Amino acid sequence: KAGVTQTPRYLIKTRGQQVTLSCSPISGHRSVSWYQQTPGQGLQFLFEYFSETQRNKGNFPGRFSGRQFSNSRSEMNVSTLELGDSALYLCASRLAENTGELFFGEGSRLTVL
Amino acid sequence: AQSVSQHNHHVILSEAASLELGCNYSYGGTVNLFWYVQYPGQHLQLLLKYFSGDPLVKGIKGFEAEFIKSKFSFNLRKPSVQWSDTAEYFCAVDPSNTGKLIFGQGTTLQVKP
Repeated sequence: KAGVTQTPRYLIKTRGQQVTLSCSPISGHRSVSWYQQTPGQGLQFLFEYFSETQRNKGNFPGRFSGRQFSNSRSEMNVSTLELGDSALYLCASRLAENTGELFFGEGSRLTVL
Repeated sequence: AQSVSQHNHHVILSEAASLELGCNYSYGGTVNLFWYVQYPGQHLQLLLKYFSGDPLVKGIKGFEAEFIKSKFSFNLRKPSVQWSDTAEYFCAVDPSNTGKLIFGQGTTLQVKP
């Protein structure tokens, strides 16, 4: 079956703009998580959604937000972009809360100029 | 704060050499443990996982890991590496099955043919 799909794969924005990234989980998976990957900080947890509700949140400013739709697809939004937001944003899905390993997508690479 | 430490940042081995990558975590409660691999240009893939039971777990491609609770460690091993094992390896901990994975900084493995 298809894996986790993220769009867009690459994007370039300028400081102050906002961006929306999309994630379609593996069919049947109801939990979606988002991670930020940078060379300096590594992989850091942003948030997790299950049944359209945010279940867990990492230590990121309020400019980072997300949501999940009834079909389990998820979006994350970053407003007022800063240079430091340049990163690979990874989406991961799993069957449900508290159930096993995460399956990752290929990521959306955001460059902020 | 909870953290995961990978001792080796960059490892270079010749084919057929044995591999051991160290991983230690700081969390006193129940943990789920993972090793993920990221091959060049590909997404994160699960190598192996430990939830409970036998502390010696076997994963894909001949990898195994041993959970030593008293040492808060989950080291990854492979008896004989291949050139195709060249990749970045990430240890991750899920404290109390929250789904919020805490990743180590990663180890880049370069295998010389």
